[in-house]
Amino acid sequence: DAGVIQSPRHEVTEMGQEVTLRCKPISGHNSLFWYRQTMMRGLELLIYFNNNVPIDDSGMPEDRFSAKMPNASFSTLKIQPSEPRDSAVYFCASTPGGQGWTQPQHFGDGTRLSIL
Amino acid sequence: SQQGEEDPQALSIQEGENATMNCSYKTSINNLQWYRQNSGRGLVHLILIRSNEREKHSGRLRVTLDTSKKSSSLLITASRAADTASYFCATDGAAGNKLTFGGGTRVLVKP
Repeated sequence: DAGVIQSPRHEVTEMGQEVTLRCKPISGHNSLFWYRQTMMRGLELLIYFNNNVPIDDSGMPEDRFSAKMPNASFSTLKIQPSEPRDSAVYFCASTPGGQGWTQPQHFGDGTRLSIL
Repeated sequence: SQQGEEDPQALSIQEGENATMNCSYKTSINNLQWYRQNSGRGLVHLILIRSNEREKHSGRLRVTLDTSKKSSSLLITASRAADTASYFCATDGAAGNKLTFGGGTRVLVKP
């Protein structure tokens, strides 16, 4: 079975550019999570969707970040404008049920983002 | 600050030895999970242990949970070079509807 698929795997862009990260969750999973991983801050939850609806976006750093889930099989995380401090690995994860924090989460292999 | 904190931060052992790492957390939890992350890859779920459980096994992995001490341990027995990875604990209690991850333990298994 296909796991969580993220694209691109690597992204290098200049400060001020718009960045769009993409995620396809496991088919049939109802919950989707976006995380950011850095050496300084570890793994942080950015936003959580259930049945395509954003439930908790309290981890989104600022208005430059936005996330959408137009359907059950696709989500995007957008940064506009990007800044060097946004450089990190961004992960998407999904779970079958609604309360994703009570179940094993299935992670994609991440997008390594470098903002120059 | 992070809910879960792993100890040690790094561990180096010989193949065949056991590896033990610990996780401490601050508030009450419903469940605690352990994940593995290989270099350049996403996290892979290993074990979930609920607050009313004290010990769980999965293959060469053994997890214990002591809610009175707010701590958990992960034991990898008969380690292999392929076990080289970072290991993270994650808890659900502190922040409600989310998992909070610790900083991880980097394990190096030398052949």
